Amino acid sequence: GESVGLHLPTLSVQEGDNSIINCAYSNSASDYFIWYKQESGKGPQFIIDIRSNMDKRQGQRVTVLLNKTVKHLSLQIAATQPGDSAVYFCAEAGSSASKIIFGSGTRLSIRP
Amino acid sequence: GAGVSQSPRYKVAKRGQDVALRCDPISGHVSLFWYQQALGQGPEFLTYFQNEAQLDKSGLPSDRFFAERPEGSVSTLKIQRTQQEDSAVYLCASSQRTGKSYEQYFGPGTRLTVT
Repeated sequence: GESVGLHLPTLSVQEGDNSIINCAYSNSASDYFIWYKQESGKGPQFIIDIRSNMDKRQGQRVTVLLNKTVKHLSLQIAATQPGDSAVYFCAEAGSSASKIIFGSGTRLSIRP
Repeated sequence: GAGVSQSPRYKVAKRGQDVALRCDPISGHVSLFWYQQALGQGPEFLTYFQNEAQLDKSGLPSDRFFAERPEGSVSTLKIQRTQQEDSAVYLCASSQRTGKSYEQYFGPGTRLTVT
């Protein structure tokens, strides 16, 4: 994929506010879209996924929205907490089991 | 239960040395994946195993990279004649079933630095 380099896009949010992280994807044939959270020194952690035939899915404090018309995916985190500080990656996968394609990440920082 | 473990966590190699990175997947997980993550970027797919069979190695960047999973559990990623551009975090992930590749559980990664 394209190189983001050392300067990840950063979203700074006040603790308690809602966070919205956006992602543009490239492959209209992808079947699944996934959000991962990666904390420093750790591997990515699955947050939530959505199938291509859906436009919204809710989890605990998180909501994923999918707009296939403009190939846009977003992750909404309600009542952001300090523990939500991490880099968030969107990813896409096909119907086969072989690979996940990660997009560029967004660093979420929380202001006290 | 235990998650995916990787060893070593950190590896420094001189250019030209060979390295071997180990992954212990979650017990019983059929699928195993290797990714390379450069600093500030998302993980990039390297290769995929279903049990002991390597079904996709399209992401391996060169023939210096080799992965194996001989008994369908532990996997080793080997890099021969390391180059500076190989410096990255190497992530291993496992999945319980085929057909749902996105339900992958990642290990903490091995940070490789080639000097």
